[in-house]
Amino acid sequence: GQQVMQIPQYQHVQEGEDFTTYCNSSTTLSNIQWYKQRPGGHPVFLIQLVKSGEVKKQKRLTFQFGEAKKNSSLHITATQTTDVGTYFCAGYSGGGADGLTFGKGTHLIIQP
Amino acid sequence: DVKVTQSSRYLVKRTGEKVFLECVQDMDHENMFWYRQDPGLGLRLIYFSYDVKMKEKGDIPEGYSVSREKKERFSLILESASTNQTSMYLCASSPPGLAVSTDTQYFGPGTRLTVL
Repeated sequence: GQQVMQIPQYQHVQEGEDFTTYCNSSTTLSNIQWYKQRPGGHPVFLIQLVKSGEVKKQKRLTFQFGEAKKNSSLHITATQTTDVGTYFCAGYSGGGADGLTFGKGTHLIIQP
Repeated sequence: DVKVTQSSRYLVKRTGEKVFLECVQDMDHENMFWYRQDPGLGLRLIYFSYDVKMKEKGDIPEGYSVSREKKERFSLILESASTNQTSMYLCASSPPGLAVSTDTQYFGPGTRLTVL
């Protein structure tokens, strides 16, 4: 079955440093979604990328979808303490409602 | 705003007990999902439902069953709870999406189940 690998599992940064998490799929994706889960909270949808090579920005967050639609990244510029949490990618390869496969997430820890 | 609610935030049960986890969504979504979340393993799909009385197995259905008698409610059942089912259980719902895409999943707050 489809697998979505996400790295790194943990990332410690100093406040103000940049942060990047990467996702790689074993199969070509129709689209990829990104979610954020705050400590003690539940995953919350951030964005969906659909087109090959697509780049989307949300303030300090930049999301990219690879040309082959098999990988994606989330980059945060100048991290703030409010960015703390776990970032999940979720790839969709078709096949119905269960075709969304979540990566294991990257835990972002920010040291002030 | 979509609201997905789960019956309990924290639950403690004993081995062998029958456990019911309830999930309700208020946005008339067709799809509903049950995941469990464990450290280092991410989100794993247990069961999902794309319509009333319809259910499909996810990646780890063993030891679980589900019920969807009404569109807004999706229940996860542990017939005989075991210690390895101690976990965070997350319910989610989504609209049907298109044939080649899927819509956002909206998650409930989660139920942290401890089986002693």
